[in-house]
Amino acid sequence: AQKVTQAQTEISVVEKEDVTLDCVYETRDTTYYLFWYKQPPSGELVFLIRRNSFDEQNEISGRYSWNFQKSTSSFNFTITASQVVDSAVYFCALSDPISNFGNEKLTFGTGTRLTIIP
Amino acid sequence: NAGVTQTPKFRVLKTGQSMTLLCAQDMNHEYMYWYRQDPGMGLRLIHYSVGEGTTAKGEVPDGYNVSRLKKQNFLLGLESAAPSQTSVYFCASSLTALGVRTSSIQYFGAGTRLSVL
Repeated sequence: AQKVTQAQTEISVVEKEDVTLDCVYETRDTTYYLFWYKQPPSGELVFLIRRNSFDEQNEISGRYSWNFQKSTSSFNFTITASQVVDSAVYFCALSDPISNFGNEKLTFGTGTRLTIIP
Repeated sequence: NAGVTQTPKFRVLKTGQSMTLLCAQDMNHEYMYWYRQDPGMGLRLIHYSVGEGTTAKGEVPDGYNVSRLKKQNFLLGLESAAPSQTSVYFCASSLTALGVRTSSIQYFGAGTRLSVL
């Protein structure tokens, strides 16, 4: 069965510090996709990134970077020079096919609540 | 630039009451989903739809019904609410997948916070 583990329930860092959010996944699929979503205090889920299993290049977008390591089944998320606006719950998710139509559900981790202290 | 819109945002029900949650998307997406979010459990899929007039069960469908009469709308119904259905409900939509193992990004609404007393 698909599983996503976010072992860090809550993290607090002082503004401008770097912080890494861990994500470990389990799947028997040879092709799969990984996602990160952000849930700010307002409650909506905001898409951040999607990576496929055959592309292990790290990705950087501004202060955000993602480290995908297939050998350890991890897809970690680093925020550099954190800001108060980064305070949110962050979810890692794994694609999980649910039909022959090609669509899928997302298997979510339990989330990491990140608090940036000004 | 609406994206996925959920109504209502908040609702309080008494046990046994019924209600319908509405999800509307303006991105012409084929696929739509209903998830529930509970503390410490992440999001879990309730029902989904691969197109107008079609629906299917997800991993936690009991106590819920859905309908997709129009492509842009996906309704989630609770016929007889129970305290166990207290949760935050999220609707999502995505484009048709291009192949057997490609993946479309799911875009989420802002959620509906439901309390059943």
